[in-house]
Amino acid sequence: GDSVTQMEGPVTLSEEAFLTINCTYTATGYPSLFWYVQYPGEGLQLLLKATKADDKGSNKGFEATYRKETTSFHLEKGSVQVSDSAVYFCALRGPAGSYQLTFGKGTKLSVIP
Amino acid sequence: DAGVIQSPRHEVTEMGQEVTLRCKPISGHDYLFWYRQTMMRGLELLIYFNNNVPIDDSGMPEDRFSAKMPNASFSTLKIQPSEPRDSAVYFCASSFSGQGRNQPQHFGDGTRLSIL
Repeated sequence: GDSVTQMEGPVTLSEEAFLTINCTYTATGYPSLFWYVQYPGEGLQLLLKATKADDKGSNKGFEATYRKETTSFHLEKGSVQVSDSAVYFCALRGPAGSYQLTFGKGTKLSVIP
Repeated sequence: DAGVIQSPRHEVTEMGQEVTLRCKPISGHDYLFWYRQTMMRGLELLIYFNNNVPIDDSGMPEDRFSAKMPNASFSTLKIQPSEPRDSAVYFCASSFSGQGRNQPQHFGDGTRLSIL
């Protein structure tokens, strides 16, 4: 079945540091890929998405590129802020017609001033 | 616009009691999902509905769990009897299929359930 593997957290960075959170997936065909963010005490929110190979999703300074050859969708940001502290989830939706998402376990990011 | 609304936000009850969690999806959304989040297991899909009909309940852990969607604006997740291992944050999410399969799921703020 489909699966998503994220780097283990927690990740602690200083403000303005570069962020990478690795995500790889296993799926048949060509899934759609997503990053969701969860702030403390809240539900998940869509951060960005990519629906086909080589697509780049971007939002709020975050980027991720759909790499079919490496089955990866790594999240990056050039300069993190304290307000980016949250849990980040990589997810995929399989191509077979289902609307459900398969989530990774999440990576907790803490940004310190 | 109102988002997905869940109630209660927090629930503390004793083992063996019935627990009912409620969800109001975003108006016009035709998919509704129930998730459970724990530190050990992460985010798990329990069940989802399309147009009020359950499509996949394979994630429901056991017969103590049941979910209903009597109309397009309301769903419940019930646990009877509850056990301490059911303690978790339960999320409801909804989405709209009308613009394709890649529309985002919109999550509520969750119900934090503690079974003593």
